[in-house]
Amino acid sequence: NAGVMQNPRHLVRRRGQEARLRCSPMKGHSHVYWYRQLPEEGLKFMVYLQKENIIDESGMPKERFSAEFPKEGPSILRIQQVVRGDSAAYFCASSLLGQGANNEQFFGPGTRLTVL
Amino acid sequence: GNSVTQMEGPVTLSEEAFLTINCTYTATGYPSLFWYVQYPGEGLQLLLKATKADDKGSNKGFEATYRKETTSFHLEKGSVQVSDSAVYFCALSIYNTDKLIFGTGTRLQVFP
Repeated sequence: NAGVMQNPRHLVRRRGQEARLRCSPMKGHSHVYWYRQLPEEGLKFMVYLQKENIIDESGMPKERFSAEFPKEGPSILRIQQVVRGDSAAYFCASSLLGQGANNEQFFGPGTRLTVL
Repeated sequence: GNSVTQMEGPVTLSEEAFLTINCTYTATGYPSLFWYVQYPGEGLQLLLKATKADDKGSNKGFEATYRKETTSFHLEKGSVQVSDSAVYFCALSIYNTDKLIFGTGTRLQVFP
């Protein structure tokens, strides 16, 4: 049973370009979470999605960032017009059950975004 | 607000030494507490957890006890191995919320 898959593992973009990060949850999991880890900091929650729904986006920057989890296919974290401050490791996690269940979140290996 | 504070690293130990990584928390509700481990180049793996006061989580020789009176969840291991070298994250979640709140991580380096 494959774990959480993220691609690409490393992504380099120039300022002003768009970055698309993909996350395929574990088989059978319909809950996806995105976290960002800035250099020398801990992981910070960004957004929680279920299939076709955004449940909690309280950690998402108000501009340039968006996330989706379509009925078919991976979850996508999209960053438009990237700036150097977006350089970070972005981790995706999935869980079998959702909020309130204290359910374990399984993490992917992360995508390391570098903005030149 | 809710937050996690853990000791800064790196923590450098010789093989078979005793390990303690301190973690304290601030929470408005009744949190569940977690330790995650991140090996080089990999994602985070759940190491252990505790869901209520005085619970002890344990796994692979690591232990942590949920201390409500001191709001702490310190990670301990009696005899570390080189293979334990990794970054360790303390985290909490509040019942009926969806997000994990992480500390900044502590890098452990174990030398033979």
